[in-house]
Amino acid sequence: GAGVSQTPSNKVTEKGKYVELRCDPISGHTALYWYRQSLGQGPEFLIYFQGTGAADDSGLPNDRFFAVRPEGSVSTLKIQRTERGDSAVYLCASNEGRTGELFFGEGSRLTVL
Amino acid sequence: AQSVAQPEDQVNVAEGNPLTVKCTYSVSGNPYLFWYVQYPNRGLQFLLKYITGDNLVKGSYGFEAEFNKSQTSFHLKKPSALVSDSALYFCAVRDLRFSGGYNKLIFGAGTRLAVHP
Repeated sequence: GAGVSQTPSNKVTEKGKYVELRCDPISGHTALYWYRQSLGQGPEFLIYFQGTGAADDSGLPNDRFFAVRPEGSVSTLKIQRTERGDSAVYLCASNEGRTGELFFGEGSRLTVL
Repeated sequence: AQSVAQPEDQVNVAEGNPLTVKCTYSVSGNPYLFWYVQYPNRGLQFLLKYITGDNLVKGSYGFEAEFNKSQTSFHLKKPSALVSDSALYFCAVRDLRFSGGYNKLIFGAGTRLAVHP
Protein backbone atom coordinates (compact mmCIF):
# COMPACT_ATOMS: atom_id res chain seq x y z
CA GLY A 1 0.00 0.00 0.00
CA ALA A 2 0.91 3.62 -0.31
CA GLY A 3 0.83 4.45 3.38
CA VAL A 4 1.51 2.98 6.78
CA SER A 5 -1.02 0.28 7.55
CA GLN A 6 -2.04 -0.71 11.07
CA THR A 7 -4.21 -3.59 12.16
CA PRO A 8 -6.54 -3.99 13.89
CA SER A 9 -8.04 -0.53 13.74
CA ASN A 10 -9.98 -1.30 16.91
CA LYS A 11 -9.34 -3.87 19.59
CA VAL A 12 -11.45 -4.44 22.68
CA THR A 13 -10.06 -6.84 25.26
CA GLU A 14 -10.47 -7.76 28.87
CA LYS A 15 -8.08 -6.90 31.64
CA GLY A 16 -5.30 -9.47 31.87
CA LYS A 17 -5.44 -10.57 28.23
CA TYR A 18 -2.61 -10.50 25.71
CA VAL A 19 -2.82 -8.34 22.57
CA GLU A 20 -0.78 -7.84 19.44
CA LEU A 21 -0.89 -4.77 17.24
CA ARG A 22 0.60 -4.87 13.78
CA CYS A 23 2.25 -2.19 11.68
CA ASP A 24 3.16 -2.44 8.02
CA PRO A 25 5.35 0.54 7.13
CA ILE A 26 5.84 2.22 3.79
CA SER A 27 7.93 0.00 1.57
CA GLY A 28 11.62 0.81 1.81
CA HIS A 29 11.36 2.79 5.03
CA THR A 30 14.10 1.61 7.34
CA ALA A 31 13.02 3.55 10.41
CA LEU A 32 9.88 2.54 12.31
CA TYR A 33 8.39 4.13 15.42
CA TRP A 34 5.61 3.31 17.85
CA TYR A 35 3.86 6.11 19.70
CA ARG A 36 0.92 5.98 22.11
CA GLN A 37 -1.80 8.61 22.22
CA SER A 38 -4.03 8.70 25.26
CA LEU A 39 -7.32 10.58 25.23
CA GLY A 40 -6.79 14.33 25.14
CA GLN A 41 -3.03 14.08 24.89
CA GLY A 42 -0.41 14.21 22.22
CA PRO A 43 1.44 11.10 21.05
CA GLU A 44 4.15 9.75 23.35
CA PHE A 45 7.22 7.94 22.05
CA LEU A 46 7.43 4.23 22.82
CA ILE A 47 10.11 2.63 20.67
CA TYR A 48 12.26 3.18 17.58
CA PHE A 49 13.55 0.54 15.16
CA GLN A 50 16.30 1.06 12.65
CA GLY A 51 16.11 -2.02 10.47
CA THR A 52 15.50 -5.09 12.58
CA GLY A 53 16.89 -3.78 15.83
CA ALA A 54 15.22 -1.72 18.52
CA ALA A 55 17.59 1.22 18.72
CA ASP A 56 15.65 2.97 21.48
CA ASP A 57 12.97 1.34 23.63
CA SER A 58 13.15 3.88 26.43
CA GLY A 59 9.50 4.87 26.02
CA LEU A 60 8.03 1.45 26.73
CA PRO A 61 6.11 1.88 30.02
CA ASN A 62 7.12 -1.44 31.62
CA ASP A 63 8.10 -5.00 30.81
CA ARG A 64 4.55 -5.94 29.78
CA PHE A 65 5.23 -4.10 26.53
CA PHE A 66 7.45 -5.56 23.84
CA ALA A 67 7.91 -4.93 20.12
CA VAL A 68 9.62 -6.82 17.33
CA ARG A 69 10.53 -6.22 13.71
CA PRO A 70 12.16 -9.51 12.69
CA GLU A 71 12.66 -8.85 8.98
CA GLY A 72 13.08 -5.09 9.07
CA SER A 73 9.63 -4.39 7.68
CA VAL A 74 6.46 -5.32 9.57
CA SER A 75 6.49 -4.66 13.30
CA THR A 76 4.33 -6.08 16.06
CA LEU A 77 3.71 -4.39 19.39
CA LYS A 78 2.88 -6.94 22.06
CA ILE A 79 1.19 -6.18 25.36
CA GLN A 80 0.92 -8.81 28.06
CA ARG A 81 -1.51 -8.84 30.98
CA THR A 82 -3.32 -5.77 29.72
CA GLU A 83 -4.53 -3.18 32.20
CA ARG A 84 -7.25 -0.56 31.85
CA GLY A 85 -4.58 2.12 31.78
CA ASP A 86 -3.23 0.64 28.55
CA SER A 87 -6.32 1.90 26.73
CA ALA A 88 -5.13 4.33 24.07
CA VAL A 89 -4.52 4.72 20.36
CA TYR A 90 -1.25 3.11 19.35
CA LEU A 91 0.35 4.88 16.42
CA CYS A 92 2.97 3.53 14.09
CA ALA A 93 5.14 5.75 11.90
CA SER A 94 7.96 5.21 9.45
CA ASN A 95 10.43 7.16 7.39
CA GLU A 96 13.37 6.55 5.12
CA GLY A 97 16.18 7.48 7.41
CA ARG A 98 16.92 8.81 10.85
CA THR A 99 15.63 12.30 10.18
CA GLY A 100 12.86 13.97 8.25
CA GLU A 101 9.16 13.89 8.73
CA LEU A 102 7.32 10.83 9.94
CA PHE A 103 4.52 9.11 8.03
CA PHE A 104 1.89 7.91 10.48
CA GLY A 105 -0.68 5.16 10.21
CA GLU A 106 -4.26 5.69 11.34
CA GLY A 107 -3.59 3.91 14.59
CA SER A 108 -4.95 0.95 16.52
CA ARG A 109 -7.45 1.92 19.19
CA LEU A 110 -7.07 -0.41 22.18
CA THR A 111 -9.78 -0.57 24.82
CA VAL A 112 -9.19 -2.67 27.91
CA LEU A 113 -12.36 -3.40 29.86
CA ALA B 1 13.14 18.75 31.06
CA GLN B 2 12.05 18.78 27.46
CA SER B 3 8.47 19.84 26.87
CA VAL B 4 6.02 21.37 24.45
CA ALA B 5 3.09 23.55 25.43
CA GLN B 6 0.06 24.36 23.36
CA PRO B 7 -1.77 26.80 25.61
CA GLU B 8 -5.09 26.72 23.77
CA ASP B 9 -7.30 23.65 23.75
CA GLN B 10 -9.38 25.14 20.97
CA VAL B 11 -9.11 28.03 18.53
CA ASN B 12 -12.18 29.36 16.76
CA VAL B 13 -11.87 31.51 13.64
CA ALA B 14 -14.16 32.62 10.87
CA GLU B 15 -13.47 31.47 7.35
CA GLY B 16 -11.28 33.94 5.49
CA ASN B 17 -9.72 35.35 8.66
CA PRO B 18 -6.11 34.77 9.63
CA LEU B 19 -5.42 32.04 12.17
CA THR B 20 -2.71 31.41 14.72
CA VAL B 21 -2.15 28.24 16.74
CA LYS B 22 0.37 28.77 19.51
CA CYS B 23 3.26 26.55 20.55
CA THR B 24 6.11 27.06 22.99
CA TYR B 25 8.86 24.61 23.77
CA SER B 26 11.57 23.87 26.28
CA VAL B 27 14.69 21.94 25.33
CA SER B 28 18.28 21.90 26.50
CA GLY B 29 19.87 22.05 23.09
CA ASN B 30 18.89 23.33 19.68
CA PRO B 31 15.44 22.20 18.58
CA TYR B 32 13.98 20.64 15.51
CA LEU B 33 10.35 21.77 15.46
CA PHE B 34 7.39 20.24 13.69
CA TRP B 35 3.69 20.76 13.13
CA TYR B 36 1.40 17.82 12.41
CA VAL B 37 -2.33 17.84 11.68
CA GLN B 38 -4.87 15.13 12.51
CA TYR B 39 -8.14 15.01 10.62
CA PRO B 40 -11.01 12.87 12.00
CA ASN B 41 -10.34 9.15 11.53
CA ARG B 42 -7.06 9.89 9.81
CA GLY B 43 -3.44 9.49 10.82
CA LEU B 44 -1.20 12.39 11.75
CA GLN B 45 0.02 14.28 8.70
CA PHE B 46 3.18 16.34 8.49
CA LEU B 47 2.66 20.05 7.83
CA LEU B 48 6.06 21.69 8.20
CA LYS B 49 9.34 21.69 10.08
CA TYR B 50 12.07 24.02 11.25
CA ILE B 51 15.62 22.76 11.42
CA THR B 52 17.84 25.73 10.74
CA GLY B 53 17.99 28.81 8.56
CA ASP B 54 15.11 31.16 7.83
CA ASN B 55 12.90 31.60 10.87
CA LEU B 56 9.76 31.64 8.71
CA VAL B 57 8.94 28.19 7.43
CA LYS B 58 6.33 27.49 4.78
CA GLY B 59 4.50 24.19 4.65
CA SER B 60 1.56 22.32 3.21
CA TYR B 61 -1.92 23.73 2.57
CA GLY B 62 -0.77 27.36 2.86
CA PHE B 63 0.39 27.05 6.47
CA GLU B 64 3.53 28.68 7.79
CA ALA B 65 5.24 28.91 11.15
CA GLU B 66 7.69 31.31 12.69
CA PHE B 67 10.55 30.16 14.88
CA ASN B 68 11.34 32.63 17.65
CA LYS B 69 14.36 31.57 19.65
CA SER B 70 14.14 34.30 22.27
CA GLN B 71 10.51 33.46 23.03
CA THR B 72 11.02 29.71 22.48
CA SER B 73 7.94 29.71 20.29
CA PHE B 74 6.91 28.15 16.99
CA HIS B 75 3.42 29.44 16.26
CA LEU B 76 1.48 28.07 13.30
CA LYS B 77 -0.20 30.62 11.04
CA LYS B 78 -2.31 30.91 7.94
CA PRO B 79 -3.37 34.19 6.31
CA SER B 80 -6.86 33.04 5.34
CA ALA B 81 -8.58 30.11 7.06
CA LEU B 82 -10.73 27.55 5.29
CA VAL B 83 -13.50 25.43 6.80
CA SER B 84 -11.51 22.40 5.62
CA ASP B 85 -8.65 23.45 7.93
CA SER B 86 -10.75 22.37 10.90
CA ALA B 87 -8.75 19.62 12.60
CA LEU B 88 -6.49 18.82 15.55
CA TYR B 89 -3.03 20.37 15.35
CA PHE B 90 0.04 19.11 17.18
CA CYS B 91 3.33 20.87 17.74
CA ALA B 92 6.36 18.64 18.34
CA VAL B 93 10.00 19.13 19.19
CA ARG B 94 13.11 17.06 18.85
CA ASP B 95 15.96 17.99 21.16
CA LEU B 96 19.10 17.63 19.10
CA ARG B 97 21.16 16.91 22.19
CA PHE B 98 19.12 13.92 23.26
CA SER B 99 17.25 12.59 20.25
CA GLY B 100 20.06 10.37 19.08
CA GLY B 101 19.70 11.64 15.54
CA TYR B 102 16.26 10.17 15.00
CA ASN B 103 12.66 11.27 15.41
CA LYS B 104 12.12 10.83 19.10
CA LEU B 105 9.55 13.61 19.22
CA ILE B 106 7.87 15.27 22.14
CA PHE B 107 4.37 16.34 21.24
CA GLY B 108 2.11 18.97 22.72
CA ALA B 109 -1.39 18.05 23.83
CA GLY B 110 -2.90 19.43 20.64
CA THR B 111 -5.11 22.35 19.70
CA ARG B 112 -8.46 21.87 18.03
CA LEU B 113 -8.99 24.40 15.25
CA ALA B 114 -12.59 25.16 14.32
CA VAL B 115 -13.15 27.32 11.26
CA HIS B 116 -16.72 28.59 10.92
CA PRO B 117 -18.32 29.54 7.60
